[in-house]
Amino acid sequence: GQSLEQPSEVTAVEGAIVQINCTYQTSGFYGLSWYQQHDGGAPTFLSYNALDGLEETGRFSSFLSRSDSYGYLLLQELQMKDSASYFCAVRGEGAAGNKLTFGGGTRVLVKP
Amino acid sequence: GAGVSQSPSNKVTEKGKDVELRCDPISGHTALYWYRQSLGQGLEFLIYFQGNSAPDKSGLPSDRFSAERTGGSVSTLTIQRTQQEDSAVYLCASRKGGQGDQPQHFGDGTRLSIL
Repeated sequence: GQSLEQPSEVTAVEGAIVQINCTYQTSGFYGLSWYQQHDGGAPTFLSYNALDGLEETGRFSSFLSRSDSYGYLLLQELQMKDSASYFCAVRGEGAAGNKLTFGGGTRVLVKP
Repeated sequence: GAGVSQSPSNKVTEKGKDVELRCDPISGHTALYWYRQSLGQGLEFLIYFQGNSAPDKSGLPSDRFSAERTGGSVSTLTIQRTQQEDSAVYLCASRKGGQGDQPQHFGDGTRLSIL
């Protein structure tokens, strides 16, 4: 089976940097994804790491260490609109890793 | 359409009734997923369709839940004899192609409330 752990809530001020950690235990692993979900909205894809290292997309970066079963999402230059829940998800089960198992989500609250 | 469309957006029904939730995926996306999300929680996988292959039903919580996908496009999730614990947001997602590394695109969900 799969299990993922991430902090439940993080609070920071505008302009700050936030790091959301995700540790996982899996029976199979193809990659780690991150999704953002605003209250009442649909989850939207942010990033995907299949290999070790850092992927940068604008203000957001994602890191993966497969040997440590660990990844993180880094949010830089925080803006009010970044207040949302962030989910890590492991692609690991099913044929060719077609299923995603999601963590419980980290609620990020950005204060002025 | 441009994105994944789900209907209804909200559904309130009495305990014991059957409900049908609909998902219209992005045109050309061959993979379709259903998830359930309780308030403040993560997404719980329910079922996955890929092309004409047999669906992966391993996440369905009981035999009251079923889903089908007609013509490789629209999908319906049916919950029979609803219970109060079925109250949640039901999310549908579609994905392009057969590779699991492609991102999933989610609809806005159906908020189901069982009285």
